[in-house]
Amino acid sequence: NAGVTQTPKFQVLKTGQSMTLQCAQDMNHEYMSWYRQDPGMGLRLIHYSVGAGITDQGEVPNGYNVSRSTTEDFPLRLLSAAPSQTSVYFCASSPVIGGAFFGQGTRLTVV
Amino acid sequence: SQQGEEDPQALSIQEGENATMNCSYKTSINNLQWYRQNSGRGLVHLILIRSNEREKHSGRLRVTLDTSKKSSSLLITASRAADTASYFCATDADDYKLSFGAGTTVTVRA
Repeated sequence: NAGVTQTPKFQVLKTGQSMTLQCAQDMNHEYMSWYRQDPGMGLRLIHYSVGAGITDQGEVPNGYNVSRSTTEDFPLRLLSAAPSQTSVYFCASSPVIGGAFFGQGTRLTVV
Repeated sequence: SQQGEEDPQALSIQEGENATMNCSYKTSINNLQWYRQNSGRGLVHLILIRSNEREKHSGRLRVTLDTSKKSSSLLITASRAADTASYFCATDADDYKLSFGAGTTVTVRA
């Protein structure tokens, strides 16, 4: 099984550009989440989904959009990139009971 | 705001020694989870302990949970160089919205 696949692994954006970070899981998990990881701050929840068609905001949702049209995919859209969004982004999927499975991350730099 | 806080921030031990790290949290939880992150990689789930459990083991890992003190500890016994990583606790208080601490960086010296 591939588990959780994130693309791209690295990305450089100019301020004001938009882009979509892709996340796909093949474990048929209902729960999927996006986190950002900044130095010394651990992971912070951006958006999450408890099933196809259902999304909700996490701790730091501003500047990001998500949608969940299928169980497998949970893309994260940056609407107008800002330097403050420079971070490492992780997608995770979780079964109803049990721990989360994380992707390998997307390292995003906004210049 | 982050729910969990790990202590210490960093830990350096000799191979073969035990490593203990602690996690404190603020609100009631459904469960508490521990994750490992090797440098630059994604997080790997280690162990989940439910709020009605007090202790759990998995291989060389032992986790305790004290809900009255809102704290948990992770013990790694007989550490190996491969245990060098950052360790995070995550609390699940609301419909699988995990809240992570800032982590403990463990270095195991050969």
